[in-house]
Amino acid sequence: SAVISQKPSRDICQRGTSLTIQCQVDSQVTMMFWYRQQPGQSLTLIATANQGSEATYESGFVIDKFPISRPNLTFSTLTVSNMSPEDSSIYLCSVEGVRGSIAGELFFGEGSRLTVL
Amino acid sequence: GIQVEQSPPDLILQEGANSTLRCNFSDSVNNLQWFHQNPWGQLINLFYIPSGTKQNGRLSATTVATERYSLLYISSSQTTDSGVYFCAVSSGSARQLTFGSGTQLTVLP
Repeated sequence: SAVISQKPSRDICQRGTSLTIQCQVDSQVTMMFWYRQQPGQSLTLIATANQGSEATYESGFVIDKFPISRPNLTFSTLTVSNMSPEDSSIYLCSVEGVRGSIAGELFFGEGSRLTVL
Repeated sequence: GIQVEQSPPDLILQEGANSTLRCNFSDSVNNLQWFHQNPWGQLINLFYIPSGTKQNGRLSATTVATERYSLLYISSSQTTDSGVYFCAVSSGSARQLTFGSGTQLTVLP
């Protein structure tokens, strides 16, 4: 499997501010995704991060609120904009196409736990 | 989209007991994975199992794709097995996973 590093691992943010989460993989991967896990809930897909082009967002998520970049095959960022307490969640980066892994198998970073006051 | 249901939602066991977790899905799948989320929130890959049976130590999993369900077996449970177990699937041409609601497992010493 790959080493998937997320920064920050946790943060406490003020309402109305924005925070950018980074996801760095130690090898090139085919696909990168961003998920959100609200307190006590399951994981929900936010978007697929596409290299060199706009991300593909799931229903209920928009680019203005969750801008995503993926400049290359090992790195992506997710920004949570104009945060409110409802954005308090764990945000997880997921990758597919890790060298040496089973085709189609997804792996997850350790998550970024955001608390918005 | 595809629907994923997990049962039971909560399970409390005494250390040493065995358990079976179930995952039902509403369509044919090209990927099915089981994860364990530890108390720190990290998702640990347990099995990639869109069909067939696999075993890894005290854990094993079986997916019957034609009947659209998967089972995760935990034998001789330990307190470190506590956490949330998620089943996640993808179908058709999709590569991203859709998650079930999870099973919260508590193993008592």
